[in-house]
Amino acid sequence: EPEVTQTPSHQVTQMGQEVILRCVPISNHLYFYWYRQILGQKVEFLVSFYNNEISEKSEIFDDQFSVERPDGSNFTLKIRSTKLEDSAMYFCASRAPPGEQYFGPGTRLTVT
Amino acid sequence: QKEVEQNSGPLSVPEGAIASLNCTYSDRGSQSFFWYRQYSGKSPELIMFIYSNGDKEDGRFTAQLNKASQYVSLLIRDSQPSDSATYLCAVNRGGGSEKLVFGKGTKLTVNP
Repeated sequence: EPEVTQTPSHQVTQMGQEVILRCVPISNHLYFYWYRQILGQKVEFLVSFYNNEISEKSEIFDDQFSVERPDGSNFTLKIRSTKLEDSAMYFCASRAPPGEQYFGPGTRLTVT
Repeated sequence: QKEVEQNSGPLSVPEGAIASLNCTYSDRGSQSFFWYRQYSGKSPELIMFIYSNGDKEDGRFTAQLNKASQYVSLLIRDSQPSDSATYLCAVNRGGGSEKLVFGKGTKLTVNP
């Protein structure tokens, strides 16, 4: 069964450094998403992406965040200058229209 | 005002019993409703979705939606220890928005 994959599974970085989280959505899916979950808190929407552009973003997704689909398979989330409060699990999800959102296994980001 | 509310639990049921999980939402215009299961340290896994008022059954799971009461529930029949997880209710308002708004989740423990 096709799955969303994410790399790395765990990323440790120092405050102020740039990180890129990578996702490979399910191959026939057209909508892509990033969510995050701070430890012990709820899953929060960051951004949705369709037809090579951002379709919706939350207040969390400020100028420090960007997304890109650099080729036909990868979908990336970049955080330009990480803060301690960016430490969280980051989940990529994808959806085929019609259909529901399926989540990848996540990347645990630890900012020290 | 919280957008999606769930009783955080923990909810404890004996093996073989029916587990009942509840969720209320504040946006009356919400269109789509989802239940995700999340094991500790893992990503959300879609188990049920419902779009219309009434009941929807899939194996041991039944989702119930009452839009007038802004209430959605999940019943798990013949609960198994492997059902022990946190159950996340998620809501989408539709109208072009792709964002899922999650509740904090209800932790379910099924005791052998």
